[in-house]
Amino acid sequence: EVQLVESGGGLVQPGGSLRLSCAASGFTFSSYWMSWVRQAPGKGLEWVANIKQDGSEKYYVDSVKGRFTISRDNAKNSLYLQMNSLRAEDTAVYYCARLALVGATHFDYWGQGTLVTVSS
Amino acid sequence: SYELTQPPSVSVSPGQTARITCSGDALPKQYAYWYQQKPGQAPVLVIYKDSERPSGIPERFSGSSSGTTVTLTISGVQAEDEADYYCQSADSSGTYLYVFGTGTKVTVL
Repeated sequence: EVQLVESGGGLVQPGGSLRLSCAASGFTFSSYWMSWVRQAPGKGLEWVANIKQDGSEKYYVDSVKGRFTISRDNAKNSLYLQMNSLRAEDTAVYYCARLALVGATHFDYWGQGTLVTVSS
Repeated sequence: SYELTQPPSVSVSPGQTARITCSGDALPKQYAYWYQQKPGQAPVLVIYKDSERPSGIPERFSGSSSGTTVTLTISGVQAEDEADYYCQSADSSGTYLYVFGTGTKVTVL
């Protein structure tokens, strides 16, 4: 059974940093593109970042470029999101999601999410 | 930036048919995908490649495409189908960039 379990969320002040983690199990982690998707309270889904199987390619939504860094450790079956210079508008539930094996065109499995609140 | 537009809400009586549209200029060239999200839960994929249904998704969920609009149809709606639904496609500016629709709240009367 595919499982994605996020951790690391919490309350942080504007300008602060936070590192999210996602522990993957039930599939060959190193074979898949992986992604972070967020959802602000009461709002829709927003893709944030994704990373290729070997970490050689990374892509970000414009609003987080230069502030967030996605990474992975295939030996630990783990995905990460380092978030720096956090803003109030980064407040959201952050989901770890697996991208489809063929073409990485869509998100076929999601974690339950971890809440990040940016507030003073 | 590229946008996918959905109606904010759709209301339907049990047993009737709900249709949710998603419009985007690049949809004639890109597949669309649909997710169901119930309150407090993670999204679940219900349709991929415009009209394919993942294993475990009930047959009452179907998808179609015509020009710049894709449609998710729920036939014989059940109370458990009440949820938010989001379409998703590749961003028109490049591969490995993604965009979600604005979301539609389906209410079962």
